[in-house]
Amino acid sequence: GQNIDQPTEMTATEGAIVQINCTYQTSGFNGLFWYQQHAGEAPTFLSYNVLDGLEEKGRFSSFLSRSKGYSYLLLKELQMKDSASYLCAVYPLTGGGNKLTFGTGTQLKVEL
Amino acid sequence: DTAVSQTPKYLVTQMGNDKSIKCEQNLGHDTMYWYKQDSKKFLKIMFSYNNKELIINETVPNRFSPKSPDKAHLNLHINSLELGDSAVYFCASSQMRILGASGGYTFGSGTRLTVV
Repeated sequence: GQNIDQPTEMTATEGAIVQINCTYQTSGFNGLFWYQQHAGEAPTFLSYNVLDGLEEKGRFSSFLSRSKGYSYLLLKELQMKDSASYLCAVYPLTGGGNKLTFGTGTQLKVEL
Repeated sequence: DTAVSQTPKYLVTQMGNDKSIKCEQNLGHDTMYWYKQDSKKFLKIMFSYNNKELIINETVPNRFSPKSPDKAHLNLHINSLELGDSAVYFCASSQMRILGASGGYTFGSGTRLTVV
């Protein structure tokens, strides 16, 4: 099975940088997704990492270390609209059917 | 234009009732899913269908029965509703073979089920 850990809550200031960590343990690993979910809305895709290293996409970047079972999402130049829950999800090799296993999410609050 | 649409968005019903949630996707994806998100925001898979065939069936009470009449539709029927069934139910779709390259799942907007 999979075990995925994320901090429950984080608070940051508008304009700042915040890093949201995700650690996972899995018996087989394809890649790792990050999703953003605003309150009362559907999760939306942010990034997918399959190789080690940093993938940058505008203000958002995602990092993966397969050997350490570790990923982080980096949000730069924070805006109030970035207040949301951020979910990491493991895409395992086994399990079939494209089953993603989600962490419990990190609720990010951006303050003035 | 909605990619994955679920109905209804809100559902309030009494214990013991039977209800259905419908989901449709117009993305041409071959795989559809039902996820349950509890009060702590934890998203847990329930079922998955690929081209109308059930491929994932997690440990879910048999009061929950999915049905996929074609690869663009996946419905969820729940019998004898219980208080613990209250949650947000998300439908999602994806392409089976290129999940990572295609951006993973596309989620519907969710159905908030409240059992009273």
